[in-house]
Amino acid sequence: AQSVTQLDSQVPVFEEAPVELRCNYSSSVSVYLFWYVQYPNQGLQLLLKYLSGSTLVKGINGFEAEFNKSQTSFHLRKPSVHISDTAEYFCAASHTGTASKLTFGTGTRLQVTL
Amino acid sequence: NAGVTQTPKFQVLKTGQSMTLQCAQDMNHEYMSWYRQDPGMGLRLIHYSVGAGITDQGEVPNGYNVSRSTTEDFPLRLLSAAPSQTSVYFCASQSGGSGNTEAFFGQGTRLTVV
Repeated sequence: AQSVTQLDSQVPVFEEAPVELRCNYSSSVSVYLFWYVQYPNQGLQLLLKYLSGSTLVKGINGFEAEFNKSQTSFHLRKPSVHISDTAEYFCAASHTGTASKLTFGTGTRLQVTL
Repeated sequence: NAGVTQTPKFQVLKTGQSMTLQCAQDMNHEYMSWYRQDPGMGLRLIHYSVGAGITDQGEVPNGYNVSRSTTEDFPLRLLSAAPSQTSVYFCASQSGGSGNTEAFFGQGTRLTVV
């Protein structure tokens, strides 16, 4: 079984400041890792994903994440946030070879203020 | 290109009533799934399908039924609604079943059971 942990339920940050949203996973087999964003009253959309290869992956809207196998982490970062980044962010994992079943973390609410 | 379409967007049910949440996708994706989103719990997988005629249970299947007669449609049936089923429901579709593809989500159905 796999699990995904997002320890921070809320992260307040000022506009133009950097931000890191933390994600840790546990799995006994190789995993694929994803970050999804949910804007108010909308569905989820993919920010970025790690499948294999380079441990630093870049996504949309200036976000990036680094896969760290030894620390079983996949933290999301942005060097300078904007008001429009206010949303809920979900880390998710799936096993290689499974039927695309995603296991989600509990989500982190990013609140950007002026 | 509509992507994943869910209907209705909002629904109020009385305890014991039944209803069907509709989900349709126009991307010819093999894999479709239903999740429920509850505060502080992230998204949890209810049922999924790897193709027409093939469905399986996810993490929280009790009280829900699904079928997949076509590639495009994947309805979710609540057999006898209970207050514990008050939630936001998301349908998603993905191409392939190897776990490494992007999930496309609908806009969600907000269900309240009174």
